[in-house]
Amino acid sequence: NAGVTQTPKFQVLKTGQSMTLQCAQDMNHEYMSWYRQDPGMGLRLIHYSVGAGITDQGEVPNGYNVSRSTTEDFPLRLLSAAPSQTSVYFCASSYSGSGQGDGELFFGEGSRLTVL
Amino acid sequence: KNQVEQSPQSLIILEGKNCTLQCNYTVSPFSNLRWYKQDTGRGPVSLTIMTFSENTKSNGRYTATLDADTKQSSLHITASQLSDSASYICVVTRGSTLGRLYFGRGTQLTVWP
Repeated sequence: NAGVTQTPKFQVLKTGQSMTLQCAQDMNHEYMSWYRQDPGMGLRLIHYSVGAGITDQGEVPNGYNVSRSTTEDFPLRLLSAAPSQTSVYFCASSYSGSGQGDGELFFGEGSRLTVL
Repeated sequence: KNQVEQSPQSLIILEGKNCTLQCNYTVSPFSNLRWYKQDTGRGPVSLTIMTFSENTKSNGRYTATLDADTKQSSLHITASQLSDSASYICVVTRGSTLGRLYFGRGTQLTVWP
């Protein structure tokens, strides 16, 4: 059982480049989300989805796009990378469609992004 | 303002010793509180969940407490092991908001041999 799989694990970009962080889960979870984790900061929600075709903004959505065409996949797109987007990104899923913490969040292993 | 504050920010203990991590929150209305363990370079993993009616819950050497009146939770680790070295994150769910969890910044625990 793979759980939540994120790719790539490491990525270096130049300012202005675009890229997509991939996230896939095999637990048939309705809720999926993306967080960024910076030193000294808690996990901050970027975007989330409560089901295929439904996405919404979190706390820090600027500079990021998401889509949810299938239950399994929730890619995060950086349109024009900036040094401020240097961070560790975590994808998480939960069986709770409401996104409430009634459901345990299952996290991927993280994607470390550096923007030069 | 809905917030989650954890203390201490970091903690160093010797192997075999006990320790207690604190989490204070102002999130309202309260739904539940989870403690996650995050090993270095890994994603967080849930240790335990506390609901409004629960005071204490154990998971092996980890014991979480909740005082909903004072809006405080603690995570007690007994007979610490080197593998307990990690960041411990407190996450509180606001009961009425879709998709809204409130994360503490974590306590970095280091266990020395």
